[in-house]
Amino acid sequence: NAGVTQTPKFQVLKTGQSMTLQCAQDMNHNSMYWYRQDPGMGLRLIYYSASEGTTDKGEVPNGYNVSRLNKREFSLRLESAAPSQTSVYFCASNLGHLNYGYTFGSGTRLTVV
Amino acid sequence: SQELEQSPQSLIVQEGKNLTINCTSSKTLYGLYWYKQKYGEGLIFLMMLQKGGEEKSHEKITAKLDEKKQQSSLHITASQPSHAGIYLCGADNYGQNFVFGPGTRLSVLP
Repeated sequence: NAGVTQTPKFQVLKTGQSMTLQCAQDMNHNSMYWYRQDPGMGLRLIYYSASEGTTDKGEVPNGYNVSRLNKREFSLRLESAAPSQTSVYFCASNLGHLNYGYTFGSGTRLTVV
Repeated sequence: SQELEQSPQSLIVQEGKNLTINCTSSKTLYGLYWYKQKYGEGLIFLMMLQKGGEEKSHEKITAKLDEKKQQSSLHITASQPSHAGIYLCGADNYGQNFVFGPGTRLSVLP
């Protein structure tokens, strides 16, 4: 099925560990996004890639790095996880930046202990 | 799985006009979120509705959740150019996951 696929769905990390969240879309979308959702704070943009080959910081980029591997894939890396990074992470894609056709992944629930 | 639909996909209005954006769910909603994306930035949380029949307002924006908790509307009164952007509804699927609509693009002509 066409859409945005995120892996893993759940993850528990120890403080200081690193990991990469994977995101892939098969809709030939140009723009991809990583958000985190925290209770009472809504979605906050971490990084985005308006088009293949470009990445830009969002509202809360500290502690994260991203790679737009190709048009399909946009990964989010935590180099040294901290408890403050416990959150639900969403990847999204869009045909073009600021278009209306968002498609979101199902989310990754990350807990850092 | 739960899906959210939004209408219209895009909207162009003259400044000062009222407008409504709708969000419809295939299942009963537990929590319904409205967001706005500002150009060049991420999604801004506008408000959340949980109870059937609930209505919340912030400045000139009012959101309502119907009694059956399957449809929400976002109403903007006397629109201004600052209201332009992408409006997105999202839903909490009883804590299991979050789902989002595709968004509605609003343009306000001065």
